[in-house]
Amino acid sequence: AQSVTQLGSHVSVSEGALVLLRCNYSSSVPPYLFWYVQYPNQGLQLLLKYTTGATLVKGINGFEAEFKKSETSFHLTKPSAHMSDAAEYFCAVTPSSGNYQLIWGAGTKLIIKP
Amino acid sequence: DTAVSQTPKYLVTQMGNDKSIKCEQNLGHDTMYWYKQDSKKFLKIMFSYNNKELIINETVPNRFSPKSPDKAHLNLHINSLELGDSAVYFCASSQRGVGRATGELFFGEGSRLTVL
Repeated sequence: AQSVTQLGSHVSVSEGALVLLRCNYSSSVPPYLFWYVQYPNQGLQLLLKYTTGATLVKGINGFEAEFKKSETSFHLTKPSAHMSDAAEYFCAVTPSSGNYQLIWGAGTKLIIKP
Repeated sequence: DTAVSQTPKYLVTQMGNDKSIKCEQNLGHDTMYWYKQDSKKFLKIMFSYNNKELIINETVPNRFSPKSPDKAHLNLHINSLELGDSAVYFCASSQRGVGRATGELFFGEGSRLTVL
């Protein structure tokens, strides 16, 4: 069965520091990959996605992610953290068959230290 | 204009009561979902409708009954509420593409249910 693993339920970085949120997936074929962000007391919104083509994808708010097939990873990065980035981040994949519904990671809470 | 709106935003109720949550989307999407998010932020899909047809019905107690009167609306009715039903319930919508292009979901702001 396909799965998504987000390493670290909490990640804490200082304002201005690099943000790195890790996501690994298991899939027999390259999936479509997504990062969603959930700000406090809000719904989720799409941050970025990879379907095909260029493996480095850029999203909103300065975030980007790179699909690495050999490592089955789709890590999310941002060069310089801002206080407003504090949120819960979810990695998700669509499976290679079936009803194509999203398989979600458990989420990583990003904490920004002043 | 809010793309996916759900009401009410908060529900506080006693065990054993029945409650409903309503959801509407104005994006013209053909697929709608109900998700449950627990206190640890874990997301679990409950139901999905495509053009008013139920296409996903996960292992959810039959006390939960979704209804989709048209493709812009999806409601959730919960009978005989239990303590474990306390969670945030999210409605979402998407346009069902060909194959796997269904990952872009638009979420409502959530309905926080507290069962006492």
